[in-house]
Amino acid sequence: KAGVTQTPRYLIKTRGQQVTLSCSPISGHRSVSWYQQTPGQGLQFLFEYFSETQRNKGNFPGRFSGRQFSNSRSEMNVSTLELGDSALYLCASSSLHTGTGGVEQYFGPGTRLTVT
Amino acid sequence: AQSVTQLGSHVSVSEGALVLLRCNYSSSVPPYLFWYVQYPNQGLQLLLKYTSAATLVKGINGFEAEFKKSETSFHLTKPSAHMSDAAEYFCAVSPTGGGYQKVTFGTGTKLQVIP
Repeated sequence: KAGVTQTPRYLIKTRGQQVTLSCSPISGHRSVSWYQQTPGQGLQFLFEYFSETQRNKGNFPGRFSGRQFSNSRSEMNVSTLELGDSALYLCASSSLHTGTGGVEQYFGPGTRLTVT
Repeated sequence: AQSVTQLGSHVSVSEGALVLLRCNYSSSVPPYLFWYVQYPNQGLQLLLKYTSAATLVKGINGFEAEFKKSETSFHLTKPSAHMSDAAEYFCAVSPTGGGYQKVTFGTGTKLQVIP
């Protein structure tokens, strides 16, 4: 099975611009989660989508949004970029153990966003 | 709600020495537990997982972890550190018992291996 893919891998934007990042989960996985990782704040949960519905959301401003398509691919968008948005954005694809409710997450390589 | 605590944000070991990274969790029922490794500018790679089968779990690169319910711990060990083990390690917990709850990650431990 192919792993989680994220595009693009690297991105440079200027303040005020917007950006869209893409994530394709492992085939058969219906849940996609997004995380922001910075040296100062560590790994922070952005949101999770399951079957095209946002199921959970972290504590981020409304400039951060996402969506999931019927094929489970997901995009996240950041509008009006700020310098502090520079980070590694990670996407995780999840499989659910239906008997226990436990979840296993598999990560993509990430998108390194630099805002100048 | 579940939580994960990783003791020590930075751990240094000599090459060839034992690696021990600590993880404690809180959960009302035995959860699934995971260790991930992250190399610079890469995603998190699943190192090993406990999903309620054997309590001693072996993973990739010679790492293993033991689920101890009485101590609510899932510490990661490797008998002999290698330079290539230098990375950041994350412990994570996924609740079980029905109903949706998201995966929770620890704050990470950076492992330095000294030659």
